[in-house]
Amino acid sequence: NAGVTQTPKFRILKIGQSMTLQCTQDMNHNYMYWYRQDPGMGLKLIYYSVGAGITDKGEVPNGYNVSRSTTEDFPLRLELAAPSQTSVYFCASGDRGHYGYTFGSGTRLTVV
Amino acid sequence: GESVGLHLPTLSVQEGDNSIINCAYSNSASDYFIWYKQESGKGPQFIIDIRSNMDKRQGQRVTVLLNKTVKHLSLQIAATQPGDSAVYFCAETSSGGTSYGKLTFGQGTILTVHP
Repeated sequence: NAGVTQTPKFRILKIGQSMTLQCTQDMNHNYMYWYRQDPGMGLKLIYYSVGAGITDKGEVPNGYNVSRSTTEDFPLRLELAAPSQTSVYFCASGDRGHYGYTFGSGTRLTVV
Repeated sequence: GESVGLHLPTLSVQEGDNSIINCAYSNSASDYFIWYKQESGKGPQFIIDIRSNMDKRQGQRVTVLLNKTVKHLSLQIAATQPGDSAVYFCAETSSGGTSYGKLTFGQGTILTVHP
C-alpha cells in the first residue's frame, strides 16, 4: 500500500519556467489537498478537491492551477515560476469525517 | 483570518521525561483538532485527533487535551524517546458545512529529546 506518492522529490526551476508536481493516492480517498511549507512555518493550503472534477482554491492559490480528472491523481501546475514559490510542497488525501490525512513525502522546489 | 498558533516554538527534554506541547486556536467554529509529527525531510504524520465533544483522548504514549473554554489544545507524550524528536503541528478544521476538511495549521513546535 503506497499511500500518497509525490514526484519529483526535488526540482530546481528558473524564473518563468513551468512544471507540474504529481500526486497519486491509492486509498480511494475523495478529498485531496495541496499544501506548501515555507522554512520554519506551518503548512498553507493552496488548492483542494472533494472529488473527481471538483476543485477549489485554498488560502494561497495565486500562481498555481490544479485538475482532478480521476480519484487517484491531483497534479499541481506552476505556470510561470517565481522565487516566492520556492518551498516544499505536500499533497495529502483523506475523506469526510476522517481528517487525519495521509501526506506524501513532499517535493522540494527551488526557483532561481 | 483565524488561525491556530503555538505557545512554544522549541522544547528540549531528557529521554524518559514527559513532554507537553501546547497550542492555542482562535476559530470557535472548529470542532475537530489533529496533531501531526513531522520528521526532517518527511511529510506530516498523523498522531492523534480529538473532536470538540471530548476533552481528552488517549493513544499509545500520547494524550490530547482540549479546553474549549480557553481555546487551548495540548499534546502530552509519555516517556519521551529520542525517536520522538521532530516538529509537532496542531491543526484544526470544521467537520460541517462547506469546510471540506480544510486544515489550518499552527507554526509548529520543535521537540528535541536528549539521550
